[in-house]
Amino acid sequence: AQSVTQLGSHVSVSEGALVLLRCNYSSSVPPYLFWYVQYPNQGLQLLLKYTSAATLVKGINGFEAEFKKSETSFHLTKPSAHMSDAAEYFCAVSGGMDSSYKLIFGSGTRLLVRP
Amino acid sequence: DAGVIQSPRHEVTEMGQEVTLRCKPISGHDYLFWYRQTMMRGLELLIYFNNNVPIDDSGMPEDRFSAKMPNASFSTLKIQPSEPRDSAVYFCASRGQGGVDGYTFGSGTRLTVV
Repeated sequence: AQSVTQLGSHVSVSEGALVLLRCNYSSSVPPYLFWYVQYPNQGLQLLLKYTSAATLVKGINGFEAEFKKSETSFHLTKPSAHMSDAAEYFCAVSGGMDSSYKLIFGSGTRLLVRP
Repeated sequence: DAGVIQSPRHEVTEMGQEVTLRCKPISGHDYLFWYRQTMMRGLELLIYFNNNVPIDDSGMPEDRFSAKMPNASFSTLKIQPSEPRDSAVYFCASRGQGGVDGYTFGSGTRLTVV
């Protein structure tokens, strides 16, 4: 079965610092990969997605992620954190061997941004 | 498009009562998903529909939970009887054919069972 693992339930950075949120996937066939963001008391918003085109994917709000098949990783980065980036971030996987394209989520990483 | 619409946004009910959560997917989307979010278990897929037909309900926790999709524009998730451990945020999401576009999520229903 496919799965994703997010390392670190909480990540704290200073405003202006690099943001790095880690995600590793488990799938015998390269799947589709997604990053979603959830602000307090809101639903999930799609940040970016990898669907077997370019391995470096740019998303909204200055975020990007790189698909690395050799490392089975899809880490999320942003060069300079802003206070408004404080939220919970979810990595998710679908497709691969699963033709239903069910979206399976990681456990989430809460990003804290210090002034 | 107004996106995926869920109602109510908040629901507080007493243990033993019936609770019905509602969802209107994006027009044209063939798939509809119900997720539950809790601190302990994260985001869990409960059930999903394709063209109004339930495909996989293996995530439904107990027989107290049931879901229906009578037409392409409406789905319900019902809990009867409700219990305090059902307290969670319930999300509905929809998508089109294939998995390329990801899912669009509603704003969720925060359920509190006292």
